Amino acid sequence: SYVLTQPPSVSVAPGKTARITCGGNNIGSKSVHWYQQKPGQAPVLVIYYDSDRPSGIPERFSGSNSGNTATLTISRVEAGDEADYYCQVWDSSSDLFGGGTKLTVL
Amino acid sequence: EVQLVESGGGLVQPGGSLRLSCAASGFTFSSYSMNWVRQAPGKGLEWVSYISSSSSTIYYADSVKGRFTISRDNAKNSLYLQMNSLRAEDTAVYYCARGTGYVDYWGQGTLVTVSS
Repeated sequence: SYVLTQPPSVSVAPGKTARITCGGNNIGSKSVHWYQQKPGQAPVLVIYYDSDRPSGIPERFSGSNSGNTATLTISRVEAGDEADYYCQVWDSSSDLFGGGTKLTVL
Repeated sequence: EVQLVESGGGLVQPGGSLRLSCAASGFTFSSYSMNWVRQAPGKGLEWVSYISSSSSTIYYADSVKGRFTISRDNAKNSLYLQMNSLRAEDTAVYYCARGTGYVDYWGQGTLVTVSS
């Protein structure tokens, strides 16, 4: 079965750029979606179809996908970006989520 | 405004059953596919089941196949999850989630606890 691999944690200073990766076999051939989840809240879609941003999501959030790695990039990180981030793909009649990455803003 | 409101969660003994409901409003429910996604305490997201807008296509995660049944009533703008033969590992917050391929709206979730 298909597996999505995310680093458990990423730390970044305010104002810097955070990059959260999502690894999978030939993931570049799939559409990758990203969600942000803050404690006690439901997830929020931040990137869909690799690099599209829903309305209301700041331009600081961007995505890319190629080869075996998809990446969520958060520019000019703010304290409010601290959250868990999950990648997701649809594969063989099932949705798959990565294990999640906790973003810590130092 | 799109709203998804889950209900039906609670404490149930192992081997028991529970039926979750999701009331949808603010959009044309019959036009959208829906999902159930769960999250065990302190753990990540796990997709559970998918149902197309007309109920013609249904998928389940291997972990719940044969035990859970997803359904919908477009006349009542409602989504359901019938959960049978519940196990301790089914303990989680269950989210109702709209979308095909990706989820653009989530409910706030309902907690299911399976314990004796």
